[in-house]
Amino acid sequence: SELTQDPAVSVALGQTVTITCQGDSLRNSYAAWYQQKPGQAPLLVSFGLNNRPSGIPDRFSGSKSGSTASLTITGAQADDEADYFCNSRDTSGHHVFFGGGTKLTVL
Amino acid sequence: QMRLQESGPGLVKSSETLSLTCTVSGGSITNGLYLWTWIRQPAGKGLEWLGLIYPTGVTHYNPSLNSRLTVSIDTSKNKFSLDLRSVTAGDTALYYCARASVFCGGDCYVFEYWGQGSLVSVSS
Repeated sequence: SELTQDPAVSVALGQTVTITCQGDSLRNSYAAWYQQKPGQAPLLVSFGLNNRPSGIPDRFSGSKSGSTASLTITGAQADDEADYFCNSRDTSGHHVFFGGGTKLTVL
Repeated sequence: QMRLQESGPGLVKSSETLSLTCTVSGGSITNGLYLWTWIRQPAGKGLEWLGLIYPTGVTHYNPSLNSRLTVSIDTSKNKFSLDLRSVTAGDTALYYCARASVFCGGDCYVFEYWGQGSLVSVSS
């Protein structure tokens, strides 16, 4: 199974941006989303239907429709500029997939 | 505070075995709520899931690795390890260990905690 993400997305400072992740595995599972800045390990920012780890700002929200999961950043900040990856599991529940990543630029 | 730390050689010769260890602190590796995983990232590229191990020792691997991978766990030392055999230049990457949880009634695999990564280069 594959997860497809747009390679690059840009957003004006303070505006809202949605990053998508598409794949058949998402019909029966949910995505988790990670933010990765240069030289750092990925950081979990959202999973399932709008769940966030403690410490993650509420401007990050996750959703899903059919085979597409989305991460929405409402009021993007300069600090949100990073690569964003999604992941999900396959139908067996034993294997995991990552999307190719989306580079978010905040203008 | 949960912490994971990768360790191992930074340089491996082609056709040999790449071995890494992940030391877990701030919690027990035997906790049945969590899975222990390896993920890698070639420079400038995306993330690739390699495999996972349950505290019981049950493993699941990325089929693309063609049976070259073994993940093991040492509960007495709170560590888990990766052995990747017959490496090539294509295995050069930053290797991460991570703790995974399953949420959403089994429908979310979530990597909550990550190590800082161990850079491994394969030389000819």
